[in-house]
Amino acid sequence: EAGVTQFPSHSVIEKGQTVTLRCDPISGHDNLYWYRRVMGKEIKFLLHFVKESKQDESGMPNNRFLAERTGGTYSTLKVQPAELEDSGVYFCASSGPNTGELFFGEGSRLTVL
Amino acid sequence: DAKTTQPPSMDCAEGRAANLPCNHSTISGNEYVYWYRQIHSQGPQYIIHGLKNNETNEMASLIITEDRKSSTLILPHATLRDTAVYYCIVRDFGNEKLTFGTGTRLTIIP
Repeated sequence: EAGVTQFPSHSVIEKGQTVTLRCDPISGHDNLYWYRRVMGKEIKFLLHFVKESKQDESGMPNNRFLAERTGGTYSTLKVQPAELEDSGVYFCASSGPNTGELFFGEGSRLTVL
Repeated sequence: DAKTTQPPSMDCAEGRAANLPCNHSTISGNEYVYWYRQIHSQGPQYIIHGLKNNETNEMASLIITEDRKSSTLILPHATLRDTAVYYCIVRDFGNEKLTFGTGTRLTIIP
């Protein structure tokens, strides 16, 4: 069974540019999460989808970040315009119903120059 | 903020049992204790969770004190591949969010 896949694995962009990260959850998982770790900090929750609906987006840092999950399958996280402090590793995770076992992807490393 | 306290680092000899402590003195009755680990730069990996009874699976055992204010994750026969940062997380089952703290960096010594 395929795990959670994320693309790209690493992206290097300049300040002010736009980047879109993609996450494909495990097939059949309704819950999809985005987390991130910025340099030297702890892993922080960004938001949670249940199917195509945003269940909790309390961790989204500001309106430069936009997450979508059209059709309730894969999700995208767009950063526009990117700032230096957005550099870090963005993790996606998915889970089935009524379980705290989240399956994480390998992460997308974002470097903003 | 994380509701758990863990030692920042620990060493364990290969083949021995690794015992990782966690304090969660403010845990409430409907909160579970979860353990995840992150090996190098990979994504976090679920290990085990429990409410108040001790739990065991193919990866580890979880011992929760009777007052539930602390717990210990046990890796029975540590291998070099168990070198990772281990996170103890308190999670309300009605809240899907995981709050990661700083974790314990476990180093397995050959």
